[in-house]
Amino acid sequence: KAGVTQTPRYLIKTRGQQVTLSCSPISGHRSVSWYQQTPGQGLQFLFEYFSETQRNKGNFPGRFSGRQFSNSRSEMNVSTLELGDSALYLCASALEGQGHNEQFFGPGTRLTVL
Amino acid sequence: AQTVTQSQPEMSVQEAETVTLSCTYDTSESDYYLFWYKQPPSRQMILVIRQEAYKQQNATENRFSVNFQKAAKSFSLKISDSQLGDAAMYFCAYGGSNYKLTFGKGTLLTVNP
Repeated sequence: KAGVTQTPRYLIKTRGQQVTLSCSPISGHRSVSWYQQTPGQGLQFLFEYFSETQRNKGNFPGRFSGRQFSNSRSEMNVSTLELGDSALYLCASALEGQGHNEQFFGPGTRLTVL
Repeated sequence: AQTVTQSQPEMSVQEAETVTLSCTYDTSESDYYLFWYKQPPSRQMILVIRQEAYKQQNATENRFSVNFQKAAKSFSLKISDSQLGDAAMYFCAYGGSNYKLTFGKGTLLTVNP
């Protein structure tokens, strides 16, 4: 079974631009979560989707948004990029997303904002 | 809100020896799960071990075991017979009722040959 895939793996953008990251979950998984990983803040939860519905959202500004499609694939978008948005963005999929579910992580998208 | 604290930013161990990574958490929920994830350098994060809060028996996966103290809200990871491949960042995580994992800041484990 294929693992979680994320595209692109690396991105370089400039301040003020917007970016879209994509995540394909493991086949059969309906929950997709996004996390931002930085050296200073560690892993911070962005949002979680299940069956195209956002069930939870972390404490990030409205510039961060996401969506999930009917095939469970998910995208996240960051508008008006700031230098502080430079991070590794991790996507994780799970069967249903409840607390007991193991989350399977993708390799991440490394975003650099110049 | 739940919080997870890993008080050891870095740890080192000699190959073949045992090391224990610490984790404490805070929650008002009674039903939850705790996880240890491993993130090797430039590689994907993978689950090492999972503990269900309502189970008193400590989880074990081969060389990895936990010491779960529910009353003290403590969840430490013991790695026995450490191997070079165990070198990684280890994250303690909490999974509860709100469809997300809350992570600690991580412990960077170095294994010395």
